[in-house]
Amino acid sequence: EVQLVESGGGLVQPGRSLRLSCAASGFTFDDYAMHWVRQAPGKGLEWVSGISWNSGSIGYADSVKGRFTISRDNAKNSLYLQMNSLRAEDTALYYCAKDMAAAPKGWFDPWGQGTLVTVSS
Amino acid sequence: EIVMTQSPATLSVSPGERATLSCRASQSVSSNLAWYQQKPGQAPRLLIYGASTRATGIPARFSGSGSGTEFTLTISSLQSEDFAVYYCQQYNNWPKTFGQGTKVEIK
Repeated sequence: EVQLVESGGGLVQPGRSLRLSCAASGFTFDDYAMHWVRQAPGKGLEWVSGISWNSGSIGYADSVKGRFTISRDNAKNSLYLQMNSLRAEDTALYYCAKDMAAAPKGWFDPWGQGTLVTVSS
Repeated sequence: EIVMTQSPATLSVSPGERATLSCRASQSVSSNLAWYQQKPGQAPRLLIYGASTRATGIPARFSGSGSGTEFTLTISSLQSEDFAVYYCQQYNNWPKTFGQGTKVEIK
């Protein structure tokens, strides 16, 4: 069974940093691109970032470009999101999601259960 | 950035009735369109990809259609477990944008 388990969320002050992790199991991790998607409380889904199987292709939403960095460690079956200069508007549940392809060009299936990031003083 | 617009925002439907949800893209996304279902407190679940292909394990009452800029998700006979929020997403271009969602509620 494919499983994605996010961790690393919490309460952080504006301007500080946080690193999210996603542990993958049940599939060959380095065969697939991966993504981060977030959902602010009571709001819709917003794609944040995606990375290809070999980290050769990476993309970011404009809202996080220059502040967030996505990475992966295929040896550890793990995906990461380094979030710097956090703002109140980054408060959200952050989901990790598997792409259907090695390049980040497909739909997302499955999704993890998410980790909550709250940015507040 | 491709803007995805879903309508209506809320759809009130009686169990057993048909529900039709719409999704419009601000420019063509070909058939690179997915639909997801999200229930309260749960992660989104893939329903449809390629605009019309049901994901594994999705009941036949869910169907998708359309291409280019106009797409539809139809639930032929609503069951109690289908009341949820539905999102469309284009994966034709970066960034991979979502619609704002349609909430299907019990009438």
